[in-house]
Amino acid sequence: EVHLVESGGGLVQPGRSLKLSCTASGFTFGDYPMSWVRQAPGKGLEWVGFIKSKAYGGTTEYAASVKGRFTISRDDSKSIAYLQMNSLKTEDTAVYYCTKGRGGVHIPGYFDYWGQGTLVTVSS
Amino acid sequence: DIVMTQSPDSLAVSLGERATINCKSSQSVFYSSNNENYLAWYQQKSGQPPKLLIYWASIRGSGVPARFSGSGSGTDFTLTISSLQSEDVAVYYCQQYYSSPVTFGQGTRLEIK
Repeated sequence: EVHLVESGGGLVQPGRSLKLSCTASGFTFGDYPMSWVRQAPGKGLEWVGFIKSKAYGGTTEYAASVKGRFTISRDDSKSIAYLQMNSLKTEDTAVYYCTKGRGGVHIPGYFDYWGQGTLVTVSS
Repeated sequence: DIVMTQSPDSLAVSLGERATINCKSSQSVFYSSNNENYLAWYQQKSGQPPKLLIYWASIRGSGVPARFSGSGSGTDFTLTISSLQSEDVAVYYCQQYYSSPVTFGQGTRLEIK
């Protein structure tokens, strides 16, 4: 059974950094692209960014709203994806979901599994 | 970026009746080389993460009941629940994965009338 478990969320001041982790199990982690999707309180879903599998370069793409501030990485030996968030803004406050991608190798694809999410609150 | 627009924003349907949610993309998400529409639907119940319902516009996800169906092509898509059950109360989102950034519709809240 596939499981995705996010960790690392919490309260952080504007301008500071936070690193989220996503620990995966139940599938061959290295074979799939992984995305982060966020949801601000009471709002809809916003794709944050993704990382391709190493077989397709392991490169990353990001939403314009986080490009240059957020970095996604992966450790296939540990089945963990990371989201490093720098220069955080109040508008980054959201539940952050880790998702497993399908439907393509060079695109984020659709998301067949989601973690439970971790809440990041950016406030002074 | 491709803009996804859902209608209606909210919907109230009686138990056992049909529910229909529409999703329109600002450009086609049909890829002619593989004859596929890059469109997915998700269900999000209160306090839970989204769950994949439909992908490639019409294929049901694992374990998704047969009362859920997806249709459409190009820029216009529909999610239909043939006979509404109480457990179907949720917010429903469409998503295009034709191009990056992938984008979601704003969501449709489905309630029992």
